[in-house]
Order: sequence, then C-alpha cells, then structure tokens
Amino acid sequence: GAGVSQTPSNKVTEKGKYVELRCDPISGHTALYWYRQSLGQGPEFLIYFQGTGAADDSGLPNDRFFAVRPEGSVSTLKIQRTERGDSAVYLCASSSAPAPSSYNEQFFGPGTRLTVL
Amino acid sequence: AQSVTQLDSQVPVFEEAPVELRCNYSSSVSVYLFWYVQYPNQGLQLLLKYLSGSTLVKGINGFEAEFNKSQTSFHLRKPSVHISDTAEYFCAVSNAGGTSYGKLTFGQGTILTVHP
Repeated sequence: GAGVSQTPSNKVTEKGKYVELRCDPISGHTALYWYRQSLGQGPEFLIYFQGTGAADDSGLPNDRFFAVRPEGSVSTLKIQRTERGDSAVYLCASSSAPAPSSYNEQFFGPGTRLTVL
Repeated sequence: AQSVTQLDSQVPVFEEAPVELRCNYSSSVSVYLFWYVQYPNQGLQLLLKYLSGSTLVKGINGFEAEFNKSQTSFHLRKPSVHISDTAEYFCAVSNAGGTSYGKLTFGQGTILTVHP
C-alpha cells in the first residue's frame, strides 16, 4: 500500500514569508508526528497528533510554528515569518494508535526540504 | 530528558569487512531503542528495535544490535558489509510506556561509506 507522502518535496522561500508543508499519513493511522532535521543533525521532535488533536506540541520552537490536522488524516505544518534558521528537512511519520506501555512502528515520509533565503 | 550520542559521525569501511556503529543513550526512565537507516533522497527506515527480552536483536539486511543496560549502549553491528549498505544510520530512543506517545529522540547520525 501507499506510504507516508509529503508535499512539496522541496520549498524555497524568502525570509519573512509564510509556508505550508503537507503530510499524508498511511491510511488508518491515527498517530502523526512531525520532526525537523537540520543539516548534519538527527531529526528532532516537533509535534504529535492523536486523531485531530495535538497531544504534544512541546517540540515546536516558537509561536511562528503551528500545525493542524482537522479531519484526523492529512496534516499541515505552518511556519510564519520564516527565518534562515528554519531551513531544514521537515519529516512526517505516522503509526497505529499508541497506548501507554505499547509500541507501534512509526513510518516516515521522504521529507520536505525547506530553504529560506 | 533523554539524549542519544552517536560516537562516530563518519565510518569508512571496505566491502566485506565487519562494522560497528556506536550509540550511547541517557535516560531516567526505561526506554525502547531503535536503529534507523536513511538512504539518499529516501525516508527513514526502521532497521531494528529493542523493546524487551533478549538483549541481542536482529534486524533487516543482516544487521544486529546489542542492548547493554549497564553501559547504556546499543551498538549496531554487521559482520560483512556491502556497497549497498552505504547510508546514514540513526540511533533513537523513546520512553517505554508512560505518556510519551512514542516520540523519538535521535542521535546525530553516522554516515557509513562502504568502499570497493
């Protein structure tokens, strides 16, 4: 079946502009995660959705970053007033609903490479 | 808080040689441990995981890893590498239970380059 898809694959924008990055999870997966991977670094957690609600947004760096998942499937990561430091690969992952003390594999998309000039 | 340290940023090896990629972690709670592989222009793929039980875990493509709780390590090994193993490898941890919802903390990555 289809895996996690992310669009666009590449996004170049100018400092101060607004961008939206989209994630389509695997059908039926209720858990969705966003991570950010800066050059030469491992991915860093941004936000986690269980269904439509953001259960943990502790990784969002500041209030310029916001994410939504209105129907519990597709998610959009929104970045306002972009800065050069926002340049990174933004990764999305989905999994079956996790519960405390259990494990469900996260399946990652190919990422969106964001470049802020 | 948790952290993961991958001790080598780059590891060059010749084809058919053995390889070990080192990973140490820090956590105040019990953890699950993972190794992911990222091929160029592709998403992260799970290589193997340790959840509980036997400390030696086997994954795809002939890789294995050993969980050492006393040394807080989870080193990845392969007895004989192939050119196709050239990729970046990430070690990661998540809380074993509680309300962490499976979020992963990653190391900085190790680039494995296999030379003919």
